Amino acid sequence: TQLLEQSPQFLSIQEGENLTVYCNSSSVFSSLQWYRQEPGEGPVLLVTVVTGGEVKKLKRLTFQFGDARKDSSLHITAAQPGDTGLYLCAGVSNTGFQKLVFGTGTRLLVSP
Amino acid sequence: KAGVTQTPRYLIKTRGQQVTLSCSPISGHRSVSWYQQTPGQGLQFLFEYFSETQRNKGNFPGRFSGRQFSNSRSEMNVSTLELGDSALYLCASSPREGYGYTFGSGTRLTVV
Repeated sequence: TQLLEQSPQFLSIQEGENLTVYCNSSSVFSSLQWYRQEPGEGPVLLVTVVTGGEVKKLKRLTFQFGDARKDSSLHITAAQPGDTGLYLCAGVSNTGFQKLVFGTGTRLLVSP
Repeated sequence: KAGVTQTPRYLIKTRGQQVTLSCSPISGHRSVSWYQQTPGQGLQFLFEYFSETQRNKGNFPGRFSGRQFSNSRSEMNVSTLELGDSALYLCASSPREGYGYTFGSGTRLTVV
């Protein structure tokens, strides 16, 4: 069974602080996606990383895929209240047809 | 362009009843997947359909079933409902493998 562990589970910070969320697994994934989910809504795709070692930047968000394609990280610079939400990593199974294995989630609260 | 539409948004059912949830994917998206989200288990994969064929199934009992129609719309059915089936059921569509998913807002099912 493929599992993705995220840390930390909860993060409460002040506006302007930096933070990093980690997503780790013992399994290899063909690619990894990051989503953000707000209460009462479905997850919204932020980025897909495909190549081991890949780094992608989306404004203040930086995503990295581990060299072995087993782990990933999300770094937010100068967090804003609008960044508040549940952050989910999701690995695309290496075993065949498209199936997402979701991480355990990181709930972020950014206070003004 | 219209997003993924799930109906109904909220549903209250009694133990032992059955329920059918509907999902209309983004036009042109042929892959439709279903996920169950609960506070304790997070997001868990139910099944994935592509061109009316179920290509992948998660570890859920046979009470959970689904289908996809020729227009890519999908339904999932849960029979003999149990209290533990209370969850947010999310549908997601994707144009093809390797692409990120677009999620609907979900159907919140409460079993009493």
